[in-house]
Amino acid sequence: GENVEQHPSTLSVQEGDSAVIKCTYSDSASNYFPWYKQELGKRPQLIIDIRSNVGEKKDQRIAVTLNKTAKHFSLHITETQPEDSAVYFCAAVLMDSSYKLIFGSGTRLLVRP
Amino acid sequence: SAVISQKPSRDICQRGTSLTIQCQVDSQVTMMFWYRQQPGQSLTLIATANQGSEATYESGFVIDKFPISRPNLTFSTLTVSNMSPEDSSIYLCSVEANSGNTIYFGEGSWLTVV
Repeated sequence: GENVEQHPSTLSVQEGDSAVIKCTYSDSASNYFPWYKQELGKRPQLIIDIRSNVGEKKDQRIAVTLNKTAKHFSLHITETQPEDSAVYFCAAVLMDSSYKLIFGSGTRLLVRP
Repeated sequence: SAVISQKPSRDICQRGTSLTIQCQVDSQVTMMFWYRQQPGQSLTLIATANQGSEATYESGFVIDKFPISRPNLTFSTLTVSNMSPEDSSIYLCSVEANSGNTIYFGEGSWLTVV
């Protein structure tokens, strides 16, 4: 079955700097890779996703890259702000088949003002 | 995106009791799931709620402990049976939104077992 590894477990950056979180997956058939942001006491919120037919996707300060050959994908946050502080989870799934999300272990991001 | 409502949002439960969590979606969806998030941990899939048939459970989860119902395409329930403090978690309903082929989560149900 699918296994997703996520690094780092914690990340502290200065406001305005960039943050990068990396994930690797094991099942080469996975074709959908969402990223969720979870603030304290709240549900995970989808912030960006990428499908296996593209290598990069960007939405304002957030971007995700996918390397299918190496089976890894990354979240990039530029110009970080204190409100970016949260736990971020990557996930992988085989859509159109199981739709079962397999999550990484999470990254606690702290943006220092 | 789908609007997903869960009830209760929070509860404190006595050891040995059972609690049923409801998940209501504002549109018909094919795929509904239940996840558990233990304190400080990631999310783990409990089961896929199948409409009109028994749920499909993941390894480590059994129907006797987590019975699930899915009477129609907009509603599902998860029961946490015979609770112990180890069941203290956030339980999250999730759906695959037909329109966007994207997966969304409900607000979650925060359960504390004392």
